Amino acid sequence: DGGITQSPKYLFRKEGQNVTLSCEQNLNHDAMYWYRQDPGQGLRLIYYSQIVNDFQKGDIAEGYSVSREKKESFPLTVTSAQKNPTAFYLCASTTTGVTYQPQHFGDGTRLSIL
Amino acid sequence: EDQVTQSPEALRLQEGESSSLNCSYTVSGLRGLFWYRQDPGKGPEFLFTLYSAGEEKEKERLKATLTKKESFLHITAPKPEDSATYLCAVQAVGGANSKLTFGKGITLSVRP
Repeated sequence: DGGITQSPKYLFRKEGQNVTLSCEQNLNHDAMYWYRQDPGQGLRLIYYSQIVNDFQKGDIAEGYSVSREKKESFPLTVTSAQKNPTAFYLCASTTTGVTYQPQHFGDGTRLSIL
Repeated sequence: EDQVTQSPEALRLQEGESSSLNCSYTVSGLRGLFWYRQDPGKGPEFLFTLYSAGEEKEKERLKATLTKKESFLHITAPKPEDSATYLCAVQAVGGANSKLTFGKGITLSVRP
């Protein structure tokens, strides 16, 4: 079945540590996105990529980094510079070049601080 | 700046009690409005896309409508399994392709 796989489901970060969240899709989508969701808040865009080897900052990119070396994969690194990383992280993807196509989401990674 | 406001924040219904969820938006030009359903600990699940004022779409007990300023998600005779958070998002003309602005969501609880 086609879909978006995020791993791990739960992740714990120690002070001063970088952690990487995985996102893989087999939908042949060009565009991929990372969102952060906090309780009582809407989804906020961290980074997005519309093509391999290219990505753009979203609204809250500080303290995060990404790479897009393969069409299927868009990993997110939460660096030690992100002082409040505890949140639910969601990866999404969609086709480009066709207007109105919805984004499809993975089931998220919940990151907590040890 | 694009903005999406959803109301109420939370809604509790008795099974069979119909109601509506509101999504008000401000966008320079609307390319599309999206409704998602999100269960606890899961990613959002796509429900509907609406493109222009006057458009309506239906799926089982759900019906989404769109005006120039807001969208409604009508729930007819809800069941407990309809309990979830419902998210609204807009895509603006001229913005990065597919970039969405989300509201905070409406948490719906349906009691048996």
